[in-house]
Amino acid sequence: GDSVTQMEGPVTLSEEAFLTINCTYTATGYPSLFWYVQYPGEGLQLLLKATKADDKGSNKGFEATYRKETTSFHLEKGSVQVSDSAVYFCALRVSNTGKLIFGQGTTLQVKP
Amino acid sequence: GAGVSQSPSNKVTEKGKDVELRCDPISGHTALYWYRQRLGQGLEFLIYFQGNSAPDKSGLPSDRFSAERTGESVSTLTIQRTQQEDSAVYLCASSLAGANPEAFFGQGTRLTVV
Repeated sequence: GDSVTQMEGPVTLSEEAFLTINCTYTATGYPSLFWYVQYPGEGLQLLLKATKADDKGSNKGFEATYRKETTSFHLEKGSVQVSDSAVYFCALRVSNTGKLIFGQGTTLQVKP
Repeated sequence: GAGVSQSPSNKVTEKGKDVELRCDPISGHTALYWYRQRLGQGLEFLIYFQGNSAPDKSGLPSDRFSAERTGESVSTLTIQRTQQEDSAVYLCASSLAGANPEAFFGQGTRLTVV
């Protein structure tokens, strides 16, 4: 069935370091892909999305490219800040039903 | 309302009791989702409503779990004969119809079964 797999956390980085959080998926059809973020004490919110192969989603300095050939949607940021500390969830929307499936989440801790 | 509203925000119940969790989606949102998030874990899909279509119940973990939605408004998730392993945060989200709408999440209901 459709599923999303993320790299295990926590990921601990120093401020201004480069970030990659890996995400791969299994899906029938042509899903849309998303990254959601959950800041401490807050609800989940959409960070970025990509709706077709080779699309790049970007927001707040974060980027992710929809790679159909490797079924991946890795999240990257060139220079992380302490305020980026949060839990990041990769997700896909099943194309023929609209169902939204999430990965297990990756905790990012950025130290000053 | 301005966002997705869930109630109660916290619920402590005794093992074996039934509980009802409520979700008020954003007005006009035809899609509604329920997820379970156990401590330190990811979002586990439970059920998905889309307009007047039959709901996708494939994520409900047992027949003790059920959910209803009245038209395109309020949804209620019911857990019967609660067990300690039901303790979790239950999240509701809603979205517009269409190819790739953003899902907006509520703050969740933290359920503790003692």
